Amino acid sequence: GAVVSQHPSRVICKSGTSVKIECRSLDFQATTMFWYRQFPKQSLMLMATSNEGSKATYEQGVEKDKFLINHASLTLSTLTVTSAHPEDSSFYICSATYRDNYGYTFGSGTRLTVV
Amino acid sequence: QKEVEQDPGPLSVPEGAIVSLNCTYSNSAFQYFMWYRQYSRKGPELLMYTYSSGNKEDGRFTAQVDKSSKYISLFIRDSQPSDSATYLCAMSPNSGYALNFGKGTSLLVTP
Repeated sequence: GAVVSQHPSRVICKSGTSVKIECRSLDFQATTMFWYRQFPKQSLMLMATSNEGSKATYEQGVEKDKFLINHASLTLSTLTVTSAHPEDSSFYICSATYRDNYGYTFGSGTRLTVV
Repeated sequence: QKEVEQDPGPLSVPEGAIVSLNCTYSNSAFQYFMWYRQYSRKGPELLMYTYSSGNKEDGRFTAQVDKSSKYISLFIRDSQPSDSATYLCAMSPNSGYALNFGKGTSLLVTP
């Protein structure tokens, strides 16, 4: 089946530094990648949608200069949290669509803690 | 009003019970309905997928969609302790679109 590998699974960083999260589709070409954020006991909130080779589309309220998304190939998308602050601490999850866009495969998530 | 409403629970049932999980939604454009299971600190895992109204059964799981009432359900028969997790409903207006998630219902099945 379709697998999305997300790394790292957990990261702790100092306030003001940047963190990069990678999502790779291992056995399919991900035409579209979605990035979500999930706070404790909350739903997954869509941050942005990225299509290979084009700029990401950000949801209202999500700072595109803070959350940099790159989808340079059909198998790799990255989310970089720049100048991280404690309020950016959250669970970040990517999701990719494939084939006829029926399937949504999720990565295993990244727990970001900013201290 | 959020587009997708889901009671967060927690819901505690004894092993073997039938579990009923529900979501309501407000956007009549939604046509694709999914149920995901999420274990703590893990990514969601797809359980059931339904297009438009109707029922779908897969093993111990049954998904129901009533578009006229904007109401979807997931039933789990013969619940097991391993079913203990958070269950998220999700929906979209078209395939390939981003999913709109409910908050998730925390389920605990006790031995």
